[in-house]
Amino acid sequence: GAVVSQHPSRVICKSGTSVKIECRSLDFQATTMFWYRQFPKQSLMLMATSNEGSKATYEQGVEKDKFLINHASLTLSTLTVTSAHPEDSSFYICSAPRGGLPDTQYFGPGTRLTVL
Amino acid sequence: AQTVTQSQPEMSVQEAETVTLSCTYDTSESNYYLFWYKQPPSRQMILVIRQEAYKQQNATENRFSVNFQKAAKSFSLKISDSQLGDTAMYFCALEGSLGNEKLTFGTGTRLTIIP
Repeated sequence: GAVVSQHPSRVICKSGTSVKIECRSLDFQATTMFWYRQFPKQSLMLMATSNEGSKATYEQGVEKDKFLINHASLTLSTLTVTSAHPEDSSFYICSAPRGGLPDTQYFGPGTRLTVL
Repeated sequence: AQTVTQSQPEMSVQEAETVTLSCTYDTSESNYYLFWYKQPPSRQMILVIRQEAYKQQNATENRFSVNFQKAAKSFSLKISDSQLGDTAMYFCALEGSLGNEKLTFGTGTRLTIIP
């Protein structure tokens, strides 16, 4: 089956630093990827849609200057949390649609970010 | 706007029994796709089953089946012969057919299978 990887799986950083999270589709190309945020015991909240070769589309309420998204190739999207604060601590998940009908999305294993 | 509602925050059932998780949704689109995803303690999201709205026949995948009632906008998941490995959070999700591929998730149901 399709595989989506994320790196790192877990990161701890100091307040004020920036953290980059990578999302890769390992056996298919994805012109679109999605970034979600999940708080403990809650559902996934879509943050933004990453588009290869163009700007990301952010959901309402998501700060685009804080959560920088770059979709550099057809298999890689990165999410950079800039000037991280403790309230940014969360579980971040990416997904990529493989294509076909219906267009099923495959999820990465997630990245747990802890900001001290 | 699309919405997905899961009214059962938690459920538990004895191993080998059958359990049904409920999901209702709202969308203005005439065609769309519905999914059930499972998130075990590992936090990896796993696709359980999917249903195209234009298909009247309910989808089935081994022990998992759905009851899709389009007019009522209801999409429940039935797990038969439940196993300990079924313990997880289950999310119902809706995807429109307009090509944007965005998923709208419900709040989830935490299912515990009791040995």
